[in-house]
Amino acid sequence: DQQVKQNSPSLSVQEGRISILNCDYTNSMFDYFLWYKKYPAEGPTFLISISSIKDKNEDGRFTVFLNKSAKHLSLHIVPSQPGDSAVYFCAASEYYQLIWGAGTKLIIKP
Amino acid sequence: DADVTQTPRNRITKTGKRIMLECSQTKGHDRMYWYRQDPGLGLQLIYYSFDVKDINKGEISDGYSVSRQAQAKFSLSLESAIPNQTALYFCATSDSRGVGDTQYFGPGTRLTVL
Repeated sequence: DQQVKQNSPSLSVQEGRISILNCDYTNSMFDYFLWYKKYPAEGPTFLISISSIKDKNEDGRFTVFLNKSAKHLSLHIVPSQPGDSAVYFCAASEYYQLIWGAGTKLIIKP
Repeated sequence: DADVTQTPRNRITKTGKRIMLECSQTKGHDRMYWYRQDPGLGLQLIYYSFDVKDINKGEISDGYSVSRQAQAKFSLSLESAIPNQTALYFCATSDSRGVGDTQYFGPGTRLTVL
């Protein structure tokens, strides 16, 4: 059973608008959540993370929101830029292991 | 220079062959990991090592073995490759002194087993 789910395989957003990527999880013991970005032919690159004791973390154009009661987190990118086109993975940490979602392919349209 | 390197980047082999994938890192991290990614799926953990003498199985270790030759080197072996081991393989590292177990990845090895 998948503990971390990204239900949207792909998302298309106009350049300059907000991109919102979503992630749901089932295990309330997860203590840290991370977002990674992956370009073709490259390994995943760490983007932003959030501790389970917080509900928001911001880094430049990227903000992650955590709703523990709903077991849901989201990544907001604003404004979206062409270089943001990539696959985004959500991952959750428990006992120093990461459990990964299947990824969402974000396409930024000019 | 890349902090985490993987060799080879691409490999085609035949069923039954033994193959080794290598990973080296210059980040000074103590923890290293091997993952595989299949199309449409997230990363699945094969093996992980918290230091040279501490090696642990991940969720999909069957058919794989590893060797941590030094803090900076972690190799993954397929003893007798089979077609369903065709996948992208990633090595990653993390620092036990870091926060939240952020992992840093190599560029990946694309393995095809015919």
